[in-house]
Amino acid sequence: DAGITQSPRHKVTETGTPVTLRCHQTENHRYMYWYRQDPGHGLRLIHYSYGVKDTDKGEVSDGYSVSRSKTEDFLLTLESATSSQTSVYFCAISETGMGEKLFFGSGTQLSVL
Amino acid sequence: AQSVTQLDSQVPVFEEAPVELRCNYSSSVSVYLFWYVQYPNQGLQLLLKYLSGSTLVESINGFEAEFNKSQTSFHLRKPSVHISDTAEYFCAVSDSIQGAQKLVFGQGTRLTINP
Repeated sequence: DAGITQSPRHKVTETGTPVTLRCHQTENHRYMYWYRQDPGHGLRLIHYSYGVKDTDKGEVSDGYSVSRSKTEDFLLTLESATSSQTSVYFCAISETGMGEKLFFGSGTQLSVL
Repeated sequence: AQSVTQLDSQVPVFEEAPVELRCNYSSSVSVYLFWYVQYPNQGLQLLLKYLSGSTLVESINGFEAEFNKSQTSFHLRKPSVHISDTAEYFCAVSDSIQGAQKLVFGQGTRLTINP
């Protein structure tokens, strides 16, 4: 299994509070991604990174920001959490492009009350 | 923008029966297709993929999928399922294999195998 650790695994927070989710990899892969999974929607890309300090938006980036100061860490921040951001968040990594597979973490269950 | 439709949200089948999970994608000049599987309380794992070449692709655990350009489909099949195949299956598409893999996923199909 690829070395991907997401933390925390579960979090309950209140509307309006800031939340940061962490993804840590030990594979030295170039690309890192944040997805959210919701019933009826599958997985949707929030943000991705193609190198240290190089990030870009996905299809559902509103309300989220990311940072990557080291190859191994990719942080997802909800500046002011809302109930619509209650979801399961998955981090994924890939080494190169060319259609190779994504390796996924085990997910973070976030509940915003 | 690319889109993917998985036509069945749930598929119940009996053990050792055949199964087909349907996936249709929006048309594009170039398209690359993937099936991922998610076992309970885990992340997704790649099952198989089509990038080019033979339109029939196979996985190591007996699944296969056929790329059909005229019908814009990439249905997943297995001739005989096992209890261990119980999982949620996601079809995904990309219009580029260069750089970041910005996959667009379908809604998922939950496959339940009954003994």
